Amino acid sequence: RKEVEQDPGPFNVPEGATVAFNCTYSNSASQSFFWYRQDCRKEPKLLMSVYSSGNEDGRFTAQLNRASQYISLLIRDSKLSDSATYLCVVNESGGYQKVTFGTGTKLQVIP
Amino acid sequence: NAGVTQTPKFQVLKTGQSMTLQCAQDMNHNSMYWYRQDPGMGLRLIYYSASEGTTDKGEVPNGYNVSRLNKREFSLRLESAAPSQTSVYFCASSYSYTSGDTDTQYFGPGTRLTVL
Repeated sequence: RKEVEQDPGPFNVPEGATVAFNCTYSNSASQSFFWYRQDCRKEPKLLMSVYSSGNEDGRFTAQLNRASQYISLLIRDSKLSDSATYLCVVNESGGYQKVTFGTGTKLQVIP
Repeated sequence: NAGVTQTPKFQVLKTGQSMTLQCAQDMNHNSMYWYRQDPGMGLRLIYYSASEGTTDKGEVPNGYNVSRLNKREFSLRLESAAPSQTSVYFCASSYSYTSGDTDTQYFGPGTRLTVL
C-alpha cells in the first residue's frame, strides 16, 4: 500500500460546482497534514494546513479523520482558476521530518 | 523577497556529463530539500539539510550529491548524468525541521533537466 494515496482524477466539474477530494495515509503516527496546489509546469504552493478540528479558508475546507486515516479537501463554488493539481502532503513525527507527497488529484473546472 | 530561487530553469545534458543545480532562499529558513518529480510518481526526496552544516539522504539519493554552502544555499550535483535522471527538480525550504506549522515547505520554480 502506498504511504499516501490520492485519486489521480481528472475531476471535470462545471463552474460553481462543489467538489471534494480525499487522501488516505498509511502511517498512523503521521503528525501534520497539508494540501498543496500545483499548476501545470509550476512549483507546488501551500494551499492550507489541515487541523484536527477541521479548518476553512474562504471556499476551501479541509478535514482530518485520524481514525480512518484520511484527509479531505472541499472546494465550494468552483472557479476556472481552481483548475490545478492538488497534492496531499503528510508529515510523520520524529526527528526526521519525513514528508510524503501524494501523486496529486487533477481538477479541471469547465465554463 | 524572492523566496526560493533555482538555476538553471532548463538544462539538457548528454549521458556522463556533470552539472550542479543551484538553490538559494532568503527567508532565513533552517531546512532545505531537493526533490525530483516524475509523472505518476509524485515528489520524491533526494537529499535534505536539516540545518546549516548537515545533510542527509532522502528516498532516492543514488547518483546525486549535495552541498549546504551556507544557511541560504543548497546545491545538488549530478556527477555522471544518466537518462533515468531526466526529471523536474525542485528545491524547497522550511523554517523548521520538526513537525508542526513551521515545517511548511516553500518551493522554488524548478529545473527541467533532460539527459540524452
